[in-house]
This record gives sequence, structure tokens and C-alpha cells, in this order.
Amino acid sequence: DAGVIQSPRHEVTEMGQEVTLRCKPISGHDYLFWYRQTMMRGLELLIYFNNNVPIDDSGMPEDRFSAKMPNASFSTLKIQPSEPRDSAVYFCASSSMDIYTFGSGTRLTVV
Amino acid sequence: KQEVTQIPAALSVPEGENLVLNCSFTDSAIYNLQWFRQDPGKGLTSLLLIQSSQREQTSGRLNASLDKSSGRSTLYIAASQPGDSATYLCAVNSNYQLIWGAGTKLIIKP
Repeated sequence: DAGVIQSPRHEVTEMGQEVTLRCKPISGHDYLFWYRQTMMRGLELLIYFNNNVPIDDSGMPEDRFSAKMPNASFSTLKIQPSEPRDSAVYFCASSSMDIYTFGSGTRLTVV
Repeated sequence: KQEVTQIPAALSVPEGENLVLNCSFTDSAIYNLQWFRQDPGKGLTSLLLIQSSQREQTSGRLNASLDKSSGRSTLYIAASQPGDSATYLCAVNSNYQLIWGAGTKLIIKP
């Protein structure tokens, strides 16, 4: 397996634009997580899915953030409209039986 | 509310030394505890998973211990190497969510 695949690796966008981050989890993993990492706040859980169903989205900072998991092999995190304070590294992780695998992350810069 | 603290925030030691990284948590009702490694610009890699019923886990030169009653875990690295340089994070599985420490940035000097 190629691991958790995230795209793009880097994204630079202007304030107000829509940003979509993509994630392909490991086949067979039943949980998928979206995290945000910044120097100031560390790792923050945004939302997680179990068997494609959103379980807890209490970490999603605002209504500008949304996430979907239309099938077991794909998830998206969308920010619309983006703001400079959204600049961070966004990680997707999948897990099964408490074994977590993280993607390499998407470094988002909103200017 | 579960809180996880890692001390020290940074550590620099000469190659070959044995070292200990510390993780403490406030609520002993945990499901498990995990140690991860993060290299600069990379994602996190799982190192060791300790279930709440276990006292320690070992993988190669790494040994992690868990003392739920005192709310502590340690990661012991034997015979450190420059390749061990990274940030080490512990995460407590509490209510089926991972609660993260801020990490210890480890530098091993050749």
C-alpha cells in the first residue's frame, strides 16, 4: 500500500478563494481524520469519519470549513472562503484497530 | 478534560547517549497511549502503542512505559543516533479521540 495520499502537497491561494484538500486513506481502514497543525496551536483534530460517516466535527473552526467522505477511498476538506489565519499544515490520517497512518500533509498558505 | 503535557520541549544530546522523553496526562481513564515521530516537513509516524492494560512496549532501541495511576508515560531511546533527530509526540486515546502533547524536539549531535 502507498500509504495515506494527500494532494496537493503545497497550496498558495489568495484570501477569499475556495480551497479543496484531498485525501486517499489506506484501503481497509475504517476511520479517517483531518488534522490541522500550526506552531501556535499544535495538532488540532478538525473532524473524523467512521465507515464514511462523519462522527465528530466539533473541531471544525467555522462554517467556512466542510468535509466530505463520499466513499471509503476518498475524502475532501474544503475551505470557502479562505482567510490568512487558515494558513497551516493539514494532515489526513486513517486508522484501523488504533493503528494510525498519516499522510505527508498539505501546506496551505493564504495570502 | 484530558490534557497532555510533554517535557522537555526541546532536548539536545551527543550521539550514543541513552535518553528519556516524558509525557503526562491529567485523566487516568485512557484507552491507550501512543508515541509518534515527526520529521521536518513530514507527516507523523507511529512508533509504539501501549494499551491501558499494558505497562510497556518495546521496538528496537525504543521502549515506552505507561503508569496510568500517576498519569505518566516515558519513551526511552537507547544508544541515540543522529537519525533519531525529530519531534516526538505522545497522544492519549481518551473517549476514542487522540489528545496530543505539544511534542519534544530532539536533536542528536554527531
